[in-house]
Amino acid sequence: DAKTTQPTSMDCAEGRAANLPCNHSTISGNEYVYWYRQIHSQGPQYIIHGLKNNETNEMASLIITEDRKSSTLILPHATLRDTAVYYCIVRRVTGGGNKLTFGTGTQLKVEL
Amino acid sequence: GAVVSQHPSWVICKSGTSVKIECRSLDFQATTMFWYRQFPKQSLMLMATSNEGSKATYEQGVEKDKFLINHASLTLSTLTVTSAHPEDSSFYICSVGSKGWETQYFGPGTRLLVL
Repeated sequence: DAKTTQPTSMDCAEGRAANLPCNHSTISGNEYVYWYRQIHSQGPQYIIHGLKNNETNEMASLIITEDRKSSTLILPHATLRDTAVYYCIVRRVTGGGNKLTFGTGTQLKVEL
Repeated sequence: GAVVSQHPSWVICKSGTSVKIECRSLDFQATTMFWYRQFPKQSLMLMATSNEGSKATYEQGVEKDKFLINHASLTLSTLTVTSAHPEDSSFYICSVGSKGWETQYFGPGTRLLVL
């Protein structure tokens, strides 16, 4: 699975959009981009995933560049409860039966 | 997504004792369960993968005789930390998955403190 690079930390004002970048320059054609987040002292929470098209769900939007070498997770209206570590994971195989490899993630701090 | 529970949510034990942690998939049957460990200020590290009815597959560096995994049903997996030592103190998290699902779903975690 391709390696990902994320900023260590980011700050965002409550109510504003939080844009979390992820670089995955070695991604191959059949690898998916997944995003999870982990609120302090809790288990990770699935957010969204995609292959090449932009994706949106009730939690967030995922924008993948045309060359697929980077992506951005967008939380449209961040709240204090969105303060968490966000993990971008690239994996070749989808499906719940396959393991995930977590990197160090981005600590997002949402402030008033 | 699937709802996953873990029990206990936290446990304190004496060095040398064994501790059992349960992971349950409450609303879906899961063919695969994963166990992760997370030390303070670090990321999650996969310990082992278990498929229902089969022996667990351990990641490199994880002692299978120390971390016993039982996956007896599609809704329950247990992790037993045998002869626990202070260095085993950590946050243990399970996740559940199945071939037909898009991804895994995680439990709330169990914090273990070994004195």
